[in-house]
Amino acid sequence: GAVVSQHPSRVICKSGTSVKIECRSLDFQATTMFWYRQFPKQSLMLMATSNEGSKATYEQGVEKDKFLINHASLTLSTLTVTSAHPEDSSFYICSATVGGQTYEQYFGPGTRLTVT
Amino acid sequence: SQQGEEDPQALSIQEGENATMNCSYKTSINNLQWYRQNSGRGLVHLILIRSNEREKHSGRLRVTLDTSKKSSSLLITASRAADTASYFCATDARNNRLAFGKGNQVVVIP
Repeated sequence: GAVVSQHPSRVICKSGTSVKIECRSLDFQATTMFWYRQFPKQSLMLMATSNEGSKATYEQGVEKDKFLINHASLTLSTLTVTSAHPEDSSFYICSATVGGQTYEQYFGPGTRLTVT
Repeated sequence: SQQGEEDPQALSIQEGENATMNCSYKTSINNLQWYRQNSGRGLVHLILIRSNEREKHSGRLRVTLDTSKKSSSLLITASRAADTASYFCATDARNNRLAFGKGNQVVVIP
């Protein structure tokens, strides 16, 4: 149990376009989902916390208008990278929890975004 | 300052040997977790140790926590080629967010 999926696993897009990444909890209801980005050989950086039915909470330095997060249901959160630039190229990982307890975070397999 | 900051090291060991990696943090915590990440993949939760625990075992994994020194160690015994991965510790000190350390790259040579 506790499986989290992400789609797509890899995406290549051109500068200026928008890309949507989905994060789904497959066998449980996730009241909270987290979005991270990870640069090569570096650690995970928390971008935002997404609670079902409410606005996401963004970490300092993360642009809300550039990284749009929607958590419309208890099993789905989406991250949309708007007007993508090459510097947005990264590995994006989501995680999901039940009841918002950090010690029960289940991670998705990640999405590799390349902006050309 | 970053929580869950491992010694930034890369380990290369022979199969069957033990691998030890460390993690230090700067503020008080409720718990500390270790995760494994295979190249280009998501994170797999390995073990959680609470602030009132000093040692915990799970299979070939042994985690210690020293809250007085604000440090933790992860020991993998009898390593296997499949243990090749990056290992991260994460703490939950700030607003229930997880703060990840830099990670340790472990390479187990068959």
